Amino acid sequence: QSVLTQPPSVSGAPGQRVTISCTGSSSNIGARYDVHWYQQFPGTAPKLLMYANSDRPSGVPDRFSGSQSGTSASLAISGLQAEDEADYYCQSYDRSLSAYVFGTGTKVIVL
Amino acid sequence: EVQLVESGGGLVQPGGSLRLSCAASGFTYWMNWVRQAPGKGLEWVASIKHDGSEKYYVDSVKGRFTISRDNANNSLYLQMSSLRAEDTAVYYCARRKEWFGEFDPWGQGTLVTVSS
Repeated sequence: QSVLTQPPSVSGAPGQRVTISCTGSSSNIGARYDVHWYQQFPGTAPKLLMYANSDRPSGVPDRFSGSQSGTSASLAISGLQAEDEADYYCQSYDRSLSAYVFGTGTKVIVL
Repeated sequence: EVQLVESGGGLVQPGGSLRLSCAASGFTYWMNWVRQAPGKGLEWVASIKHDGSEKYYVDSVKGRFTISRDNANNSLYLQMSSLRAEDTAVYYCARRKEWFGEFDPWGQGTLVTVSS
């Protein structure tokens, strides 16, 4: 029962821009706790993709960008590439649950 | 570069116990366990402060799981008891530098299957 809601899937053609939403509440994203994003390929461990809402770790292409507003956050992928096909998860902290919470996950499909 | 390697997973009967280990190079900061049930999303399980003085758990494992660490041997542990079918998952260890910080890096994971 994730408290951060993401669309199950988003799709786009190579070169297009897609956006993944992460909807929370006043107990997590709305409380201004940082949102982080992870990329996971089948059968492998998650990998940090974005931290502190909009910062990219070294090595992550600038095609990936993050933002946060109110009780939601978003991850955008511009110039979509076949290698971007993976599952993406947002993550934050929830003060009501006193727990680190993850989003429901979104599968990015490259058409 | 920090590397995390989990071990100890396997098949266990409901009600049984299992201890997971995570070997880490560069063993500082908060350490965490995160799990992923087959075909499902990620769930934070437990965290322990660098000196072991603070421990936190998700409600569903409180009283059943215990997180610990041995800094001298760069090792993190998760003692799991009274295991249930719903505990079946891949368990990852991950580092977190700050209280509200990101989980990075992650280990490769170890599969725990609770079944009779």
